[in-house]
Amino acid sequence: QSALTQPRSVSGSPGQSVTISCTGTSSDVGGYKYVSWYQKYPGKAPKLLIYDVDKRPSGVPDRFSGSKSGNTASLTISGLQAEDEADYLCCSYAARDTYVVFGGGTNLTVL
Amino acid sequence: QVQLLQSGAEVKRPGASVKLSCKASGYTFTGYYVHWVRQAPGEGPEWMAWFNPNGGGTNYAQKFQGRVTMTRDTSTGTAYMELSRLTSDDTAVYYCARGRGYDASAYFDYWGPGTQVTVSS
Repeated sequence: QSALTQPRSVSGSPGQSVTISCTGTSSDVGGYKYVSWYQKYPGKAPKLLIYDVDKRPSGVPDRFSGSKSGNTASLTISGLQAEDEADYLCCSYAARDTYVVFGGGTNLTVL
Repeated sequence: QVQLLQSGAEVKRPGASVKLSCKASGYTFTGYYVHWVRQAPGEGPEWMAWFNPNGGGTNYAQKFQGRVTMTRDTSTGTAYMELSRLTSDDTAVYYCARGRGYDASAYFDYWGPGTQVTVSS
């Protein structure tokens, strides 16, 4: 069982927006501004989408945005495109026994 | 460009050890922590440990204490992780990743392609 809780799956139609939640505790998500999100295709390495809650690395489209409220972080993908169909992983700095904790991943289906 | 190249798939018997490699290129190897993360089938990723190539410092998740050994070869820019006393629960894809941000652990900007480790009798 993963430390952070994500919905197993979400779906949306092309052009729509979807939001993926990631719920932790005050010891991880709620306690630090160090939440990151990754996009993962089957058999491929994860790709960084968002870091430090709401920052985008260069090259990541601004359709991807991150936010946090309390112990829950969110990834919003606007203007859905077919190539967005992938797994999305959330991650938080925790600085306890386990420095870093992950969510179980959310599978996004573009209808 | 930054690349992390990992060694090939491994099949091991229960009780054996496995040593994985992660060769860095495109950046100064000693300038960034290397993290090891694994993902078992149908599960979310699990952080295992970090390694500081500049000095050799390490930190492990408690569940791996005593079973994980990390080393490096600075001449080739390669980090190694050895996991001992394997069980079927260790069957997973093992990734190395470059740590960034706060405490060099806030996020991972580059990942290796992963190494499949299968433990089976």
